[in-house]
Amino acid sequence: ILNVEQSPQSLHVQEGDSTNFTCSFPSSNFYALHWYRWETAKSPEALFVMTLNGDEKKKGRISATLNTKEGYSYLYIKGSQPEDSATYLCAYRSNNNDMRFGAGTRLTVKP
Amino acid sequence: EAGVAQSPRYKIIEKRQSVAFWCNPISGHATLYWYQQILGQGPKLLIQFQNNGVVDDSQLPKDRFSAERLKGVDSTLKIQPAKLEDSAVYLCASSLGVGEQFFGPGTRLTVL
Repeated sequence: ILNVEQSPQSLHVQEGDSTNFTCSFPSSNFYALHWYRWETAKSPEALFVMTLNGDEKKKGRISATLNTKEGYSYLYIKGSQPEDSATYLCAYRSNNNDMRFGAGTRLTVKP
Repeated sequence: EAGVAQSPRYKIIEKRQSVAFWCNPISGHATLYWYQQILGQGPKLLIQFQNNGVVDDSQLPKDRFSAERLKGVDSTLKIQPAKLEDSAVYLCASSLGVGEQFFGPGTRLTVL
């Protein structure tokens, strides 16, 4: 994988559902993996920065895992709420500080 | 702490017109980035400044895009003349050195 790929492109869930998205990235020259949450008309907000293989991070109902050897990260949202509706971006940073973004997963949580 | 400020938030112009965007980074952040995010794609780095020097502008279409950060603080990004394919959200971000990037709300440009 040369680019950063995210799936699915979009997701519609009901309030209370749990959900997860995938970010695939190059496994070579890895330095860090970033997750951002981007609500419409607002600034992208940093959720997690992950650097070590096997890292798991958690913030409230949102958590993320990292596998640098196979080049993927999962973002999980437990018990989705309408306010979780946003685009979730991941970005791969290489060890020469090249930062590449995925196209994002657009989440819509219906009440 | 004030975040990254950008203006305008929205701009609609006709092709071949010129447009400029302004960014005020977080105070003390030496590194400033401009990204272009076209609908359906991830943000793409256009230019990176370290203080008032350019670190990376390899993906900046220099025939029509220019950017400056004269005093190492605020920055402007200009497009002259604009094309239809320049319609995008232009994001500015800043960081301390090469650390965590903090983003502004972006400028949504529509070229008709």
